Amino acid sequence: DAGVIQSPRHEVTEMGQEVTLRCKPISGHDYLFWYRQTMMRGLELLIYFNNNVPIDDSGMPEDRFSAKMPNASFSTLKIQPSEPRDSAVYFCASSLLAPPLDTQYFGPGTRLTVL
Amino acid sequence: QKEVEQNSGPLSVPEGAIASLNCTYSDRGSQSFFWYRQYSGKSPELIMFIYSNGDKEDGRFTAQLNKASQYVSLLIRDSQPSDSATYLCAVKVGAGGTSYGKLTFGQGTILTVHP
Repeated sequence: DAGVIQSPRHEVTEMGQEVTLRCKPISGHDYLFWYRQTMMRGLELLIYFNNNVPIDDSGMPEDRFSAKMPNASFSTLKIQPSEPRDSAVYFCASSLLAPPLDTQYFGPGTRLTVL
Repeated sequence: QKEVEQNSGPLSVPEGAIASLNCTYSDRGSQSFFWYRQYSGKSPELIMFIYSNGDKEDGRFTAQLNKASQYVSLLIRDSQPSDSATYLCAVKVGAGGTSYGKLTFGQGTILTVHP
C-alpha cells in the first residue's frame, strides 16, 4: 500500500491568501484525522471523519479553517484567509478500526509557511 | 494540568544502555495508549500500543502501563544511535467520554543515543 498521501509537501504563501491541503487516506480506512504540529503546541488534533462524516471538529482553531471529505479517498483542509500564526506542519492520518482501539497511520505532512 | 505529560528532555543515553521514557495522563477514562517515534522532519510512526495493565514487549521495546497510577512508559533496550528521535506518548479515552475517539499527544521526549 502507498500509505497516506498528502499534497503539497511544502507550501509558502502570503498572509491573506487561501491555502488548500489535500489528503488521500489508506485504501479501506474509514477514519481520517487532520493534525497540526508546532514547536509551541506540539501535535494537535484539528478534526476527524468517520465514513466521510465529520465526527469532532472541536480542535479547529477558528472559522478560517474548514475541512471536507467528499468521498472515502480524498479530504481537504482549507485555510481562508491564512495568517502567519498558521505556519506549522499539517499531518493527515487514517485508521481502519474504530477508536479507541485503532492504530493511526500518518502521512508525510505538509509544511506550511505563511509570510 | 496537561492531559498527557512527558518530560521534554533531552534524554541522553550511551549506546547499548536502556532508555526509559515516561508519560502520565489525567483522564481516568483512558483506555488505549500509544508510543510514536518521530525523526526530525518526518511524520510520527507507531512503535507500540498497550491496552492492559502490565508489560508488553516487542523486540527491544517494552511498554509498561499502570492505570491506577495513570502512568505509561517505554523502555528501549540496547539503545542504538538510530533510536535518536522524539518519542510521543498518545492516549485515547474509551466510549462514553466527552473526548471519545480523540487521540491526545504529549509534547514528546527527545532521545539522543550517543556512540
